[in-house]
Amino acid sequence: EVQLVESGGGLVQPGGSLRLSCAASGFTFSSYAMSWVRQAPGKGLEWVSGISNSDDSTYYADSVKGRFTISRDNSKNTLYLQMNSLRAEDTAVYYCAKVGGYEIDYWGQGTLVTVSS
Amino acid sequence: QPVLTQSSSASASLGSSVKLTCTLSSGHSSYIIAWHQQQPGKAPRYLMKLEGSGNYNRGSGVPDRFSGSSSGADRYLTISNLQSEDEADYYCETWDSNFWVFGGGTKLTVL
Repeated sequence: EVQLVESGGGLVQPGGSLRLSCAASGFTFSSYAMSWVRQAPGKGLEWVSGISNSDDSTYYADSVKGRFTISRDNSKNTLYLQMNSLRAEDTAVYYCAKVGGYEIDYWGQGTLVTVSS
Repeated sequence: QPVLTQSSSASASLGSSVKLTCTLSSGHSSYIIAWHQQQPGKAPRYLMKLEGSGNYNRGSGVPDRFSGSSSGADRYLTISNLQSEDEADYYCETWDSNFWVFGGGTKLTVL
């Protein structure tokens, strides 16, 4: 059974940093691309960042480019999202997602990030 | 860059069928999409992948009440024999060479 478990969310002040983690199990982690998707309170889904299976390609939404960094450790079956220079508009539930062929085919339960003073 | 357009809301009666639409932007009518369901207070759940030909593949454990079809730039999700637990937000998703994009979502109310 595929499981994706996010951690690392919490309350942070504007301008601060946070690192999210996603522990994966139930599939060969190193064979699949992964993504982060967020959902602001009461809003729809917004793709944030993606990474290839081998870590040699990373992709970002314009809204986070230059502030967020996605990475993975295939030896630990873990996906990361380093978030710097956080803004109030980054407040959201952040979901870890497995990419199947090209589409997202599994979701984690999400972790809440609140940016507020 | 593809854009996905969805109606903001839909409603249908318990036991009936409903067809939700996701429309691809001009120049992207051949794109494959995916449908996701998000029940209130829960994480999204993958439902299926849907090709421009109308071929679709449901995700693991997705009931066969959920089906897909296509016409031109439109991608459809049909839910038959509506159940109360089908009341949820439904999102379509597609991807290009280095990014993914979601539609705005359709809120389905089961009457």
